[in-house]
Amino acid sequence: EAQVTQNPRYLITVTGKKLTVTCSQNMNHEYMSWYRQDPGLGLRQIYYSMNVEVTDKGDVPEGYKVSRKEKRNFPLILESPSPNQTSLYFCASSLREGRRNTQYFGPGTRLTVL
Amino acid sequence: EDQVTQSPEALRLQEGESSSLNCSYTVSGLRGLFWYRQDPGKGPEFLFTLYSAGEEKEKERLKATLTKKESFLHITAPKPEDSATYLCAVSLNSGGSNYKLTFGKGTLLTVNP
Repeated sequence: EAQVTQNPRYLITVTGKKLTVTCSQNMNHEYMSWYRQDPGLGLRQIYYSMNVEVTDKGDVPEGYKVSRKEKRNFPLILESPSPNQTSLYFCASSLREGRRNTQYFGPGTRLTVL
Repeated sequence: EDQVTQSPEALRLQEGESSSLNCSYTVSGLRGLFWYRQDPGKGPEFLFTLYSAGEEKEKERLKATLTKKESFLHITAPKPEDSATYLCAVSLNSGGSNYKLTFGKGTLLTVNP
């Protein structure tokens, strides 16, 4: 089954404790992206990757890091989480970059930073 | 600044009562408009993509249309299982070759039996 998976699905942590949210897709997609969703603000792009070893900032990259060492994986790293990073996070992928390529979303990771 | 505005924020319908959701955008150089459905606690599920004014797409009880300034998602004879948040997103060239999705805040649709 074609899908985007994320782990963990739920995470409660404390300020300053480094964490990684994994994202994996089995569709051989080139393009992957991370979004956060907050009440009243909607979905906002954090980082994106157009292919292996190619990443760039989205709208709200502060406090986050990403890496793309393999095509299928695109982990989101929070080096020193803060309470304002409490949010619902989604990973998405599409076949390749470009306007005609639909982005497919993972199930989400709900993160709480105390 | 590029913006995507969805209205209404919330809509409550009776089963069988048809209606429309609106997505208006003020962007330069629209590359595509996407509709997604999102159920509580889940990731957005792709519904439609529209690329040019006058284009229409249909899927079961849903029909999406696009003009130069807005898109409508028409829901015909809705059922309770159509209850969800419907998200509109536009694809913009944000520099280089990144076609970023910019989302509206969504319309929460509730269909009562």
